[in-house]
Amino acid sequence: ETGVTQTPRHLVMGMTNKKSLKCEQHLGHNAMYWYKQSAKKPLELMFVYNFKEQTENNSVPSRFSPECPNSSHLFLHLHTLQPEDSALYLCASSPLQGLNYGYTFGSGTRLTVV
Amino acid sequence: AQTVTQSQPEMSVQEAETVTLSCTYDTSESDYYLFWYKQPPSRQMILVIRQEAYKQQNATENRFSVNFQKAAKSFSLKISDSQLGDAAMYFCAASNFGNEKLTFGTGTRLTIIP
Repeated sequence: ETGVTQTPRHLVMGMTNKKSLKCEQHLGHNAMYWYKQSAKKPLELMFVYNFKEQTENNSVPSRFSPECPNSSHLFLHLHTLQPEDSALYLCASSPLQGLNYGYTFGSGTRLTVV
Repeated sequence: AQTVTQSQPEMSVQEAETVTLSCTYDTSESDYYLFWYKQPPSRQMILVIRQEAYKQQNATENRFSVNFQKAAKSFSLKISDSQLGDAAMYFCAASNFGNEKLTFGTGTRLTIIP
């Protein structure tokens, strides 16, 4: 474990279900990120939170709803997803101290929409 | 906006040999940071090496080193004495100074041949 924990590790859901992905870090980082990883495509940035405020939404469909109650926790609420939303969803955090030391990643949630 | 390009979807190398993974990027910023991440089958993205663009000296981390050519906007990763544990997806990434958000390439899958 690197300090960023994602649950669940795997998730299978129907298109009418509602589920949530959870990300937790206790590294004292102030920025958290959601990325979508699909085969043969670059990692797609979905959302950015700085000091628990959303600073970026990369035109993500409203069926993905993020929540950041504090700097240590980040959620991604899912509802009425499509099969093309099946992917690995990665959470990451960074210190946000202007030093650009890169991210610490979680192990991801493998999402399958059926 | 930044773009990161990895033109080699797959590479293979004999164990104990040396391999170089290519990465090019484009940015309008004068100060930025470049990264190589490794993603093994466990899915956890691990930082391999980081380069500060204003430093001319190439970064090294044990068997991993980079060839940073700023004028050519090239940032290749050299892995010396390849080991079976080096088998993974390798992602090149970039961020601008003052903004820790990372832009990733599509990745290179590295296979180590025993």
